[in-house]
Amino acid sequence: GDSVTQMEGPVTLSEEAFLTINCTYTATGYPSLFWYVQYPGEGLQLLLKATKADDKGSNKGFEATYRKETTSFHLEKGSVQVSDSAVYFCALGNYGQNFVFGPGTRLSVLP
Amino acid sequence: NAGVTQTPKFRVLKTGQSMTLLCAQDMNHEYMYWYRQDPGMGLRLIHYSVGEGTTAKGEVPDGYNVSRLKKQNFLLGLESAAPSQTSVYFCASSYFGGAYGYTFGSGTRLTVV
Repeated sequence: GDSVTQMEGPVTLSEEAFLTINCTYTATGYPSLFWYVQYPGEGLQLLLKATKADDKGSNKGFEATYRKETTSFHLEKGSVQVSDSAVYFCALGNYGQNFVFGPGTRLSVLP
Repeated sequence: NAGVTQTPKFRVLKTGQSMTLLCAQDMNHEYMYWYRQDPGMGLRLIHYSVGEGTTAKGEVPDGYNVSRLKKQNFLLGLESAAPSQTSVYFCASSYFGGAYGYTFGSGTRLTVV
């Protein structure tokens, strides 16, 4: 079946550091790929998405590119802020099927 | 546009009590889901629905029941609460599965004592 693997962390960075959170997947068909963010005490919010190979999703300074050849969708940000501290989930979705979530990566950004 | 609304936001139950969690969405989504999230853990699917009048079991369905009598509402019931059901419960909805993404509610924090 479909699966998502992501680095589990926790990841601790200093403010203004570069962030990469790795996400790789296995899937049949042509899934859409997503990153969700969960701030403390809140629900999951869509951060960005890509629906086909080579698409780049971007939002709030975060980016991820759908790489079919490496089955990856790594999340990157050039300069993190304390307010980016949250849990980040990579997810895979197909039409008519349930989401497959990664385990989540907790990010802590220190001032 | 409210999106996905969960009620209540917090609840404390005694072991053996029953309760119903309500999820309402106003986006005309076909699919709805109930997840639980335990501390330090990811999301686990409890039950889901692919349309009005349908329900299906997810990964961890034991001890829970659900109903989808109206398209916009998805109810999660606990008939006899147990401490192991202490968790944060999230409802989500989607257009037709994962291809278009999920919209999540803000969660219900349930404590069973």
